[in-house]
Amino acid sequence: EDQVTQSPEALRLQEGESSSLNCSYTVSGLRGLFWYRQDPGKGPEFLFTLYSAGEEKEKERLKATLTKKESFLHITAPKPEDSATYLCAVKNQAGTALIFGKGTTLSVSS
Amino acid sequence: GAGVSQSPSNKVTEKGKDVELRCDPISGHTALYWYRQSLGQGLEFLIYFQGNSAPDKSGLPSDRFSAERTGGSVSTLTIQRTQQEDSAVYLCASSSAGDYNEQFFGPGTRLTVL
Repeated sequence: EDQVTQSPEALRLQEGESSSLNCSYTVSGLRGLFWYRQDPGKGPEFLFTLYSAGEEKEKERLKATLTKKESFLHITAPKPEDSATYLCAVKNQAGTALIFGKGTTLSVSS
Repeated sequence: GAGVSQSPSNKVTEKGKDVELRCDPISGHTALYWYRQSLGQGLEFLIYFQGNSAPDKSGLPSDRFSAERTGGSVSTLTIQRTQQEDSAVYLCASSSAGDYNEQFFGPGTRLTVL
Protein backbone atom coordinates (compact mmCIF):
# COMPACT_ATOMS: atom_id res chain seq x y z
CA GLU A 1 0.00 0.00 0.00
CA ASP A 2 1.29 3.47 -0.89
CA GLN A 3 2.14 5.35 2.28
CA VAL A 4 3.89 8.53 3.45
CA THR A 5 4.94 9.22 7.04
CA GLN A 6 6.37 12.53 8.22
CA SER A 7 8.25 13.29 11.42
CA PRO A 8 8.27 15.08 13.70
CA GLU A 9 4.63 16.26 13.80
CA ALA A 10 5.75 19.60 15.21
CA LEU A 11 9.11 21.34 15.48
CA ARG A 12 9.99 24.51 17.35
CA LEU A 13 13.25 26.27 16.45
CA GLN A 14 14.98 29.45 17.39
CA GLU A 15 15.87 31.78 14.55
CA GLY A 16 19.15 30.56 13.04
CA GLU A 17 18.86 27.05 14.51
CA SER A 18 19.17 24.60 11.60
CA SER A 19 17.28 21.30 11.52
CA SER A 20 15.77 18.63 9.27
CA LEU A 21 12.29 17.27 8.57
CA ASN A 22 11.84 13.62 7.61
CA CYS A 23 9.52 11.98 5.07
CA SER A 24 9.47 8.19 4.79
CA TYR A 25 7.60 6.66 1.87
CA THR A 26 6.45 3.33 0.49
CA VAL A 27 5.33 3.23 -3.13
CA SER A 28 5.77 0.86 -6.06
CA GLY A 29 7.64 2.74 -8.75
CA LEU A 30 8.41 6.24 -7.56
CA ARG A 31 7.03 8.88 -9.91
CA GLY A 32 8.38 11.82 -8.01
CA LEU A 33 8.47 12.97 -4.40
CA PHE A 34 6.95 16.39 -3.84
CA TRP A 35 7.42 18.93 -1.04
CA TYR A 36 4.84 21.62 -0.35
CA ARG A 37 4.55 24.45 2.16
CA GLN A 38 1.15 25.33 3.61
CA ASP A 39 0.36 28.50 5.54
CA PRO A 40 -2.77 28.66 7.74
CA GLY A 41 -5.93 29.20 5.71
CA LYS A 42 -4.18 28.74 2.37
CA GLY A 43 -3.65 25.98 -0.15
CA PRO A 44 -0.35 24.08 -0.36
CA GLU A 45 2.42 25.93 -2.21
CA PHE A 46 4.74 23.81 -4.37
CA LEU A 47 8.41 23.77 -3.32
CA PHE A 48 10.30 20.87 -4.94
CA THR A 49 10.03 17.72 -7.00
CA LEU A 50 12.68 15.01 -6.52
CA TYR A 51 12.82 12.30 -9.16
CA SER A 52 15.43 9.74 -8.13
CA ALA A 53 17.59 8.66 -5.21
CA GLY A 54 20.61 10.88 -4.71
CA GLU A 55 18.94 13.97 -6.10
CA GLU A 56 19.10 17.27 -4.19
CA LYS A 57 17.33 20.58 -4.75
CA GLU A 58 17.74 23.94 -3.02
CA LYS A 59 15.68 27.07 -2.64
CA GLU A 60 16.85 29.85 -0.34
CA ARG A 61 17.23 28.29 3.14
CA LEU A 62 15.64 24.97 2.12
CA LYS A 63 17.37 21.90 0.71
CA ALA A 64 15.55 18.68 -0.16
CA THR A 65 17.29 15.32 -0.54
CA LEU A 66 16.03 11.87 -1.58
CA THR A 67 17.04 8.28 -0.86
CA LYS A 68 15.27 5.06 -1.85
CA LYS A 69 13.18 5.10 1.31
CA GLU A 70 13.01 8.68 2.58
CA SER A 71 13.42 12.35 1.89
CA PHE A 72 14.75 15.11 4.11
CA LEU A 73 13.96 18.79 4.07
CA HIS A 74 16.91 20.61 5.60
CA ILE A 75 16.31 24.13 6.88
CA THR A 76 19.45 26.21 7.33
CA ALA A 77 19.40 29.26 9.60
CA PRO A 78 15.60 29.52 9.60
CA LYS A 79 13.74 32.79 9.97
CA PRO A 80 10.29 33.39 11.52
CA GLU A 81 8.79 33.65 8.00
CA ASP A 82 9.71 29.98 7.46
CA SER A 83 7.03 29.04 9.99
CA ALA A 84 4.44 26.88 8.21
CA THR A 85 3.34 23.27 7.76
CA TYR A 86 5.55 21.33 5.38
CA LEU A 87 3.90 18.52 3.45
CA CYS A 88 5.52 15.63 1.63
CA ALA A 89 3.75 13.59 -1.07
CA VAL A 90 4.32 10.85 -3.63
CA LYS A 91 2.31 9.91 -6.69
CA ASN A 92 0.18 6.82 -6.14
CA GLN A 93 0.88 3.59 -8.02
CA ALA A 94 -1.71 4.45 -10.68
CA GLY A 95 -0.19 7.89 -11.17
CA THR A 96 -3.56 9.55 -10.66
CA ALA A 97 -3.19 11.22 -7.26
CA LEU A 98 -0.76 12.47 -4.64
CA ILE A 99 -0.51 10.57 -1.36
CA PHE A 100 0.30 13.08 1.37
CA GLY A 101 1.87 12.72 4.77
CA LYS A 102 0.22 14.52 7.68
CA GLY A 103 2.86 17.21 7.64
CA THR A 104 5.36 18.80 10.00
CA THR A 105 4.34 22.10 11.57
CA LEU A 106 7.41 24.29 11.95
CA SER A 107 7.49 27.28 14.30
CA VAL A 108 10.50 29.58 14.22
CA SER A 109 10.79 32.19 16.94
CA SER A 110 13.03 35.24 16.94
CA GLY B 1 -0.12 34.28 -14.66
CA ALA B 2 -3.32 33.39 -12.83
CA GLY B 3 -3.23 30.45 -10.48
CA VAL B 4 -5.95 27.99 -9.53
CA SER B 5 -9.05 29.75 -8.21
CA GLN B 6 -11.89 28.31 -6.14
CA SER B 7 -15.27 29.61 -5.09
CA PRO B 8 -16.77 30.21 -2.69
CA SER B 9 -13.94 30.63 -0.20
CA ASN B 10 -16.29 29.77 2.64
CA LYS B 11 -19.62 27.97 2.67
CA VAL B 12 -21.87 27.38 5.65
CA THR B 13 -24.83 25.11 5.08
CA GLU B 14 -27.40 23.15 7.02
CA LYS B 15 -27.37 19.39 7.29
CA GLY B 16 -29.29 17.83 4.41
CA LYS B 17 -28.74 20.66 1.92
CA ASP B 18 -26.83 20.28 -1.36
CA VAL B 19 -23.71 22.35 -2.08
CA GLU B 20 -21.64 23.05 -5.19
CA LEU B 21 -17.97 23.97 -5.09
CA ARG B 22 -16.22 25.44 -8.13
CA CYS B 23 -12.65 25.20 -9.39
CA ASP B 24 -10.97 27.16 -12.19
CA PRO B 25 -7.65 25.51 -13.06
CA ILE B 26 -4.56 27.11 -14.52
CA SER B 27 -5.13 27.77 -18.22
CA GLY B 28 -3.83 24.92 -20.36
CA HIS B 29 -3.64 22.38 -17.54
CA THR B 30 -5.31 19.18 -18.69
CA ALA B 31 -5.25 17.40 -15.33
CA LEU B 32 -7.45 18.48 -12.42
CA TYR B 33 -7.72 17.00 -8.95
CA TRP B 34 -9.98 17.42 -5.92
CA TYR B 35 -8.71 16.77 -2.38
CA ARG B 36 -10.25 17.16 1.08
CA GLN B 37 -8.37 18.33 4.16
CA SER B 38 -9.86 17.65 7.57
CA LEU B 39 -8.37 18.45 10.97
CA GLY B 40 -6.02 15.67 11.94
CA GLN B 41 -6.63 13.74 8.70
CA GLY B 42 -4.28 15.38 6.28
CA LEU B 43 -5.01 15.76 2.59
CA GLU B 44 -7.18 13.02 1.06
CA PHE B 45 -7.60 12.47 -2.67
CA LEU B 46 -11.15 12.56 -4.00
CA ILE B 47 -11.16 12.51 -7.82
CA TYR B 48 -8.88 13.00 -10.84
CA PHE B 49 -9.85 14.44 -14.23
CA GLN B 50 -7.90 14.18 -17.46
CA GLY B 51 -9.68 16.53 -19.81
CA ASN B 52 -13.39 16.04 -19.18
CA SER B 53 -13.05 12.39 -18.17
CA ALA B 54 -12.60 11.10 -14.62
CA PRO B 55 -10.50 7.93 -14.83
CA ASP B 56 -10.04 7.79 -11.04
CA LYS B 57 -12.98 8.47 -8.73
CA SER B 58 -11.75 6.07 -6.05
CA GLY B 59 -11.46 8.73 -3.34
CA LEU B 60 -15.09 9.88 -3.38
CA PRO B 61 -16.34 8.84 0.09
CA SER B 62 -19.97 8.11 -0.85
CA ASP B 63 -22.47 8.39 -3.68
CA ARG B 64 -23.51 11.76 -2.24
CA PHE B 65 -20.34 13.15 -3.79
CA SER B 66 -20.04 13.78 -7.53
CA ALA B 67 -17.94 15.97 -9.79
CA GLU B 68 -17.88 17.08 -13.37
CA ARG B 69 -15.60 19.03 -15.64
CA THR B 70 -16.69 20.86 -18.74
CA GLY B 71 -14.71 22.22 -21.69
CA GLY B 72 -11.56 20.76 -20.23
CA SER B 73 -11.51 23.64 -17.78
CA VAL B 74 -13.90 24.48 -14.92
CA SER B 75 -14.86 21.72 -12.50
CA THR B 76 -17.72 21.50 -10.00
CA LEU B 77 -17.78 19.24 -6.95
CA THR B 78 -21.31 18.58 -5.71
CA ILE B 79 -22.19 17.19 -2.30
CA GLN B 80 -25.80 16.13 -1.88
CA ARG B 81 -27.63 15.85 1.44
CA THR B 82 -24.64 17.21 3.36
CA GLN B 83 -23.68 15.67 6.71
CA GLN B 84 -21.66 17.17 9.55
CA GLU B 85 -18.76 14.86 8.74
CA ASP B 86 -18.50 16.56 5.32
CA SER B 87 -17.15 19.68 7.06
CA ALA B 88 -13.61 20.20 5.77
CA VAL B 89 -11.52 22.29 3.41
CA TYR B 90 -11.97 21.18 -0.20
CA LEU B 91 -8.88 21.82 -2.32
CA CYS B 92 -8.56 21.76 -6.08
CA ALA B 93 -5.28 21.33 -7.94
CA SER B 94 -4.25 21.27 -11.59
CA SER B 95 -1.21 20.16 -13.52
CA SER B 96 0.01 19.78 -17.06
CA ALA B 97 0.13 16.27 -18.51
CA GLY B 98 2.94 13.97 -17.38
CA ASP B 99 3.69 11.62 -14.52
CA TYR B 100 6.18 13.82 -12.73
CA ASN B 101 4.49 17.16 -13.15
CA GLU B 102 3.79 19.06 -9.98
CA GLN B 103 0.25 19.93 -8.96
CA PHE B 104 -0.63 23.54 -8.19
CA PHE B 105 -3.30 24.09 -5.57
CA GLY B 106 -6.03 26.64 -5.17
CA PRO B 107 -6.82 28.39 -1.86
CA GLY B 108 -9.59 25.94 -1.00
CA THR B 109 -13.25 26.17 0.02
CA ARG B 110 -13.97 25.81 3.72
CA LEU B 111 -17.26 23.94 4.10
CA THR B 112 -19.08 23.97 7.42
CA VAL B 113 -22.19 21.82 7.83
CA LEU B 114 -24.31 22.79 10.82
